[in-house]
Amino acid sequence: EAGVTQSPTHLIKTRGQQATLRCSPISGHTSVYWYQQALGLGLQFLLWYDEGEERNRGNFPPRFSGRQFPNYSSELNVNALELEDSALYLCAGEGGPTDTQYFGPGTRLTVL
Amino acid sequence: AQSVAQPEDQVNVAEGNPLTVKCTYSVSGNPYLFWYVQYPNRGLQFLLKYITGDNLVKGSYGFEAEFNKSQTSFHLKKPSALVSDSALYFCAVRGIYNTDKLIFGTGTRLQVFP
Repeated sequence: EAGVTQSPTHLIKTRGQQATLRCSPISGHTSVYWYQQALGLGLQFLLWYDEGEERNRGNFPPRFSGRQFPNYSSELNVNALELEDSALYLCAGEGGPTDTQYFGPGTRLTVL
Repeated sequence: AQSVAQPEDQVNVAEGNPLTVKCTYSVSGNPYLFWYVQYPNRGLQFLLKYITGDNLVKGSYGFEAEFNKSQTSFHLKKPSALVSDSALYFCAVRGIYNTDKLIFGTGTRLQVFP
């Protein structure tokens, strides 16, 4: 069984640009969570999608947005990039009665 | 509000010795508690969880954790540390709903010396 996948592995952008990050959960998992791991700030919850709907979002500005597709994969979009958006972005999938989130390897976003 | 605390930034232990990584929690209602491990430049790997039942939970790679309701703690333990256990360990609690986000502690770096 394939694990959670994320692409790209690394992404380098300049200030003001837009970034798109992608995540595919384990087959059968219908929820996707996005987290930001920035240096010195720990792991912060960004967004939660379930069955194609946004269910909850963390304390991040609206330029962080995303969506979930019918196949349950998800996309995180970050508009008007700022230097402090540089971080490791992790997605996690969950489904069924497991009560457990399984994480992908992350996308390292660097904003120059 | 749900929260977890990891009081130690780093834990050092010699290979073969037992290890403990501490976690305390503050929740409304019954806690859903988790431990994850992160190796350099990698995502988080699930180790174990406590939802209900036995207070001693066994997980991957020989790790276990003890849920203590009176002390609101969920410490991670291993009887005999390996150098390969050196990594960053995160304790997490579920948000107020059991399908909600994870709220993470600040992480504890475990260093196992040969």
